[in-house]
Amino acid sequence: AQSVTQLGSHVSVSEGALVLLRCNYSSSVPPYLFWYVQYPNQGLQLLLKYTTGATLVKGINGFEAEFKKSETSFHLTKPSAHMSDAAEYFCAVSDSGGGADGLTFGKGTHLIIQP
Amino acid sequence: GAVVSQHPSRVICKSGTSVKIECRSLDFQATTMFWYRQFPKQSLMLMATSNEGSKATYEQGVEKDKFLINHASLTLSTLTVTSAHPEDSSFYICSARVGTGGTDTQYFGPGTRLTVL
Repeated sequence: AQSVTQLGSHVSVSEGALVLLRCNYSSSVPPYLFWYVQYPNQGLQLLLKYTTGATLVKGINGFEAEFKKSETSFHLTKPSAHMSDAAEYFCAVSDSGGGADGLTFGKGTHLIIQP
Repeated sequence: GAVVSQHPSRVICKSGTSVKIECRSLDFQATTMFWYRQFPKQSLMLMATSNEGSKATYEQGVEKDKFLINHASLTLSTLTVTSAHPEDSSFYICSARVGTGGTDTQYFGPGTRLTVL
């Protein structure tokens, strides 16, 4: 069975500071990993995903994540936080590319941006 | 990018009534759609996988007779919550599969807020 652990239900950073959202996973097969963002009362928007190949994945809005197999991690980062980044962020895992099977989500991290 | 819509965005109903939620892929065909449920301040939980032209596959613990799923066309899946009760109040989100193999991705709808009085 797959699982995702997101450390920290809430993360607060100052505007312009580095954003780091942590995600660890467990999977019995090579995983496909995803980060989604959710704004209040909206669905999820895909930020980025890792399937195979380069372990550093760049996504939209300046976010990137690095797949580290040895650490079973897929942490999300952004060099400089913007007020518009305030939202809920979900890490997810799939063993089939994310399309053929449903995704297993972490519990989410609420990102707060301090002015 | 791929756009998925849901209708209605919000619905309030009385206990015991049935509610239908539609999920549409607007600019692509989706052989597979998924239904998730999200409780307040919690993560999404997969309820079922909906395949066009066949019966839905439900996750363990999800009552298939209560949450009826129909995927009648390549652009439409519906979720009907039958005999709704207050504990069914939740945010229901669908997603649609785009692509094949390792390049496929799920695109999510904006969600439907169900409140059962």
